[in-house]
Amino acid sequence: EVQLVESGGGLVQPGGSLKLSCAASGFIFSDFAIHWVRQAAGRGLEWVGRARSRRSDFAMQHAPSVEGRFTLSRDESKNTAYLQINSLRIEDTAVYYCARHGDRFADGLDVWGQGTTVTVSS
Amino acid sequence: DIQMTQSPSSLSASVGDRVTITCRASQNCSPYLSWYQQRPGRAPKLLIYAASSLQSGVPSRFSASGSGTDFTLTISSLQPEDFATYYCLQSDIIPWTSGQGTKVEMK
Repeated sequence: EVQLVESGGGLVQPGGSLKLSCAASGFIFSDFAIHWVRQAAGRGLEWVGRARSRRSDFAMQHAPSVEGRFTLSRDESKNTAYLQINSLRIEDTAVYYCARHGDRFADGLDVWGQGTTVTVSS
Repeated sequence: DIQMTQSPSSLSASVGDRVTITCRASQNCSPYLSWYQQRPGRAPKLLIYAASSLQSGVPSRFSASGSGTDFTLTISSLQPEDFATYYCLQSDIIPWTSGQGTKVEMK
């Protein structure tokens, strides 16, 4: 079964850090980009960034709004993608999803994880 | 950034109704446009990619069209499981950006 499973969310104080994980199974991990999308309560989808596939040399790209605080990475040996979030702010509170993308043409995000909740509060 | 504007923000409809949702981009993003359905408490689900291609396993009552800056998602005959929120997402330019969502509610 093709699956993405996020973990690592939790309650953290402002200024703290978290590392989210996205474990993939059921497909050739290196053939796909892994995207991160977050959603604050009652709000729309906000694209955070992507860790591209082997055909794109595993390039990492972030939304400008999180540049400098969010770091994407991926470990092909573990079939896992990561999102390191530093200097957390109240406004980073959201459900964080990882999603798979074929990294070609106009593919959509065809497989999503269940989401992991990040709450930033003092 | 490309701004994506969906309309309406919400609508009320009955089972069997035809429903159309519009997404307008602030600049050309064709054909890098996808549509997602999200039920409460669940992750989004891909319905349409490349502006008009139906994702495998998605019922044929869902269709989409559009090019340039104007796109539409149509549900030909609304079913009970279709009451949800729908988002468009452009993937042409970084950062990818989505519409604010259209909530389809039961009349």
